[in-house]
Amino acid sequence: AQTVTQSQPEMSVQEAETVTLSCTYDTSESDYYLFWYKQPPSRQMILVIRQEAYKQQNATENRFSVNFQKAAKSFSLKISDSQLGDAAMYFCAYSTGNQFYFGTGTSLTVIP
Amino acid sequence: NAGVTQTPKFQVLKTGQSMTLQCAQDMNHEYMSWYRQDPGMGLRLIHYSVGAGITDQGEVPNGYNVSRSTTEDFPLRLLSAAPSQTSVYFCASKATAFYNEQFFGPGTRLTVL
Repeated sequence: AQTVTQSQPEMSVQEAETVTLSCTYDTSESDYYLFWYKQPPSRQMILVIRQEAYKQQNATENRFSVNFQKAAKSFSLKISDSQLGDAAMYFCAYSTGNQFYFGTGTSLTVIP
Repeated sequence: NAGVTQTPKFQVLKTGQSMTLQCAQDMNHEYMSWYRQDPGMGLRLIHYSVGAGITDQGEVPNGYNVSRSTTEDFPLRLLSAAPSQTSVYFCASKATAFYNEQFFGPGTRLTVL
């Protein structure tokens, strides 16, 4: 089975600062997708950013960017200019299409 | 456009009872799936469907049944609930199995006593 590992159960960041959340995964596939989801206290799962494995360029969505290292099987999320609304659980996920595998999550606290 | 809807939002069952969690989407998505979320374990895939009449198992299928008679609906059945099935259940959908932006429902919190 594929595995996704988030080694940081909790992280904190000062408002307006930058924070990086780590994710590693294990796979023998060459073609797959990686995702970061945000889950605020409302419980709703919100897609933050996604990366296709065949694309070398790192994905960016406004203040969110990833560092995708395919050889190292690493997929970290960088949040710039952190805002109070960024406080949430963040889940890294891996997919080959039909099957999805999620990490155990990182709880992000934003300190005013 | 309601997206992915789930009912009920909360449910309490006794051990051995059966129930069906409902999931519907109005986006004409081919792919639908069910996950459970347990503390400290992230989301785990239970079952998925790539179209009406087609279902398959995910990572943790035991104790759950599904069927897909229409494109819109994908119910999850617990035939004999067990305390180990206490969890938050999410339904999700995406356009096709190969279009990977997945949309999630609001979740159902199930407690089995």
